[in-house]
Amino acid sequence: QITLKESGPTLVKPTQTLTLTCTFSGFSLSTSGVGVGWIRQPPGKALEWLALIYWDDDKRYSPSLKSRFTITKDTSKNQVVLTMTNMDPVDTATYYCAHRGRDFDYWGQGTLVTVSS
Amino acid sequence: QSVLTQPPSVSAAPGQKVTISCSGSSSNIGNNYVSWYQQLPGTAPKLLIYDNNKRPSGIPDRFSGSKSGTSATLGITGLQTGDEADYYCGTWDSSLSSGVFGGGTKLTVL
Repeated sequence: QITLKESGPTLVKPTQTLTLTCTFSGFSLSTSGVGVGWIRQPPGKALEWLALIYWDDDKRYSPSLKSRFTITKDTSKNQVVLTMTNMDPVDTATYYCAHRGRDFDYWGQGTLVTVSS
Repeated sequence: QSVLTQPPSVSAAPGQKVTISCSGSSSNIGNNYVSWYQQLPGTAPKLLIYDNNKRPSGIPDRFSGSKSGTSATLGITGLQTGDEADYYCGTWDSSLSSGVFGGGTKLTVL
């Protein structure tokens, strides 16, 4: 059974750096073809694709956010970390991590991050 | 502004059929597989269709997907009130080297 769960601060101040952790079980990020991605959704708005890391450490980012985002994995801990610098109120959103097998086939419950002073 | 274009809303009566369109370009839908996601109110998205027309285990055959050129379509037959949700298409964009989603379509079952 594949499960994922996001964790991190619920409130950050503008210009701060946000670090979110996705802790998963039921699969290994060392298995060929597997990836873990991050997707966010501002309140009342659409899904936005953010970043993806594959089993071989190949990393992909949304071009519009690439300069601010870093995605890493710790295979031994079954974790994927997303770091976002220079947070702004427009980054307020629910952040989801998801297993990428047959596209994003398993999702975490999401974590709401509010950016406010 | 989303890379993929979906109608903001669609509606139909219980038991009827509805289709939701997703329009893109040759760099995304035209040359990559399309997925569809269902997001019930207050919950995480759920994969409904992958590889244009395949259903994950547990997804009823009332849900179907198709693709033609740079557009894709999600079909839902035998509508139920429990199908009321937001639906998103998603695919890879080869020019952007990243994934993309549509703007979402809210389905209302009248």
